[in-house]
Amino acid sequence: QSVLAQPPSVSGAPGQRVTISCTGSSSDIGAGYDVHWYQRLPGTAPKLLIYNNNNRPSGVPDRFSGSKSGASASLAISGLQAEDEADYYCQSYDSSLNGHVVFGGGTRLTVL
Amino acid sequence: QVQLQESGPGLVKPSETLSLTCNVSGDSISSYYCNWIRQPPGKGLEWIGYIYYSGSTNYNPSLKSRVIISVDTSKKQFSLRLTSVTAADTAVYYCATTPNYYYGLDVWGQGTTVAVSS
Repeated sequence: QSVLAQPPSVSGAPGQRVTISCTGSSSDIGAGYDVHWYQRLPGTAPKLLIYNNNNRPSGVPDRFSGSKSGASASLAISGLQAEDEADYYCQSYDSSLNGHVVFGGGTRLTVL
Repeated sequence: QVQLQESGPGLVKPSETLSLTCNVSGDSISSYYCNWIRQPPGKGLEWIGYIYYSGSTNYNPSLKSRVIISVDTSKKQFSLRLTSVTAADTAVYYCATTPNYYYGLDVWGQGTTVAVSS
C-alpha cells in the first residue's frame, strides 16, 4: 500500500482538462515537503514532469501544471492529447522515515 | 546530459542475491544522488534507496536489512545488492539520479526486469 493516495484512474476527452489528486499526511506532504510528479508512458521509464510542486523541467509543455495545499497536491493537464495517455505518479518525502522518498500508487490516465 | 543504463541478470533464484549495476554516461557521477527504484508487476513505484557520490546512503526501512548500494566513481557506476530474495522481489528495477535530493529524480534508466524464480 502506497504512502500517498492517488485515484487509480481518470479519463477525459481530447481538449478537456483533467486533474489527478495526491493525498498525503502530516508526516509527508503536510510536513512541508515538496511534491514531484512523474509521467510513465507505456513501455518507458518514468519522466520527471513537475518538480517542487509547480515547476516544469525544460521541454515539458505548459499544459501540465501542479499545485500543493496542506497535505495534498494536484496535477492538472489541460488541452488533453492522445499522447498524454500514461501512468502518473506523485512523490514526496516522509519525515518519520528520515526524509525517505515515498510515491503514490499511480493514476492511469485514459484519453477517450 | 546524464544517461543511465541498468545491467544485471534477468533471473535470480529464491534466497540468492540480486545484483544490478547502473552505468552513468554523459557526465561525472560526482555530486549526484544515485537512487534505485523498483516496480513489481501490477503495482506502483517503490523507492529502494540512494547513495551519494561521497558514499553516504539512505535506504527504505522496509528493505534496509537486505540492501546494499555502492558506488564506484572512477568507473562511473553504482550498484544494488539485494539479499535473500523471494518472489516478492520480482520487479522492474530502475536507477535514477538527481543533483539535489529534494528536487525530484530527473534522470532515469530504462529499467531492467528481474524475475525471482527457481
